[in-house]
Amino acid sequence: EIVMTQSPATLSVSPGERATLSCRASQSVSSNLAWYQQKPGQAPRLLIYDTSIRATAIPARFSGSGSGTEFTLTISSLQSEDFAIYYCQQYNNWPPYTFGQGTKLEIK
Amino acid sequence: EVQLLESGGGLVQPGGSLRLSCAASGFTFRSYDMSWARQAPGKGLEWVSFISGSGENTYYADSVKGRFTISRDNSKNTLYLQMNSLRAEDTAVYYCGLVYRQNWLDPWGQGTLVTVSS
Repeated sequence: EIVMTQSPATLSVSPGERATLSCRASQSVSSNLAWYQQKPGQAPRLLIYDTSIRATAIPARFSGSGSGTEFTLTISSLQSEDFAIYYCQQYNNWPPYTFGQGTKLEIK
Repeated sequence: EVQLLESGGGLVQPGGSLRLSCAASGFTFRSYDMSWARQAPGKGLEWVSFISGSGENTYYADSVKGRFTISRDNSKNTLYLQMNSLRAEDTAVYYCGLVYRQNWLDPWGQGTLVTVSS
């Protein structure tokens, strides 16, 4: 099973600043990685798939990069609605699909 | 618009059973793979099970294998999760999701809470 590790667990950033979230895989997942956003009391929402492709209606301030075992989600200029928990998920080697433990993005 | 609506959650005693449903609309249900995932209170996401569009192929997380059964009724556009021998650690919000290209889940339903407690 591929283990996904996200860092940091919590990230404090001011509105308007850039946020960089990391996701590491225990073995290569090629570019088969997705990112989700989850707000309190809501279901997860797909942001990015195939490492860097934004899902429908996702703003351009969200971008993804990486390959192999190291991945990054960048939010270029944080808006108030972006403060949430973010999860990465690999689908290169499944079952099982595996998720990272999440990074909570909070207002500084 | 694709919509997924889970139901069937509730309070059940350890060792008990529960069947979750996920009603799908807005897309050709039989053409898409589906999955269940869960989230324990205050915890992260865990994939639970997968079923192909035809229902022919199913997969399970080790944590539920032998206790949970995923199925679908393509004539009713509905996905199911039969959960038997429930344990306290199965307490979670259960989400159904459309699995796109056997890869990512999009969208997810709003979830249904399952609480296993005496």
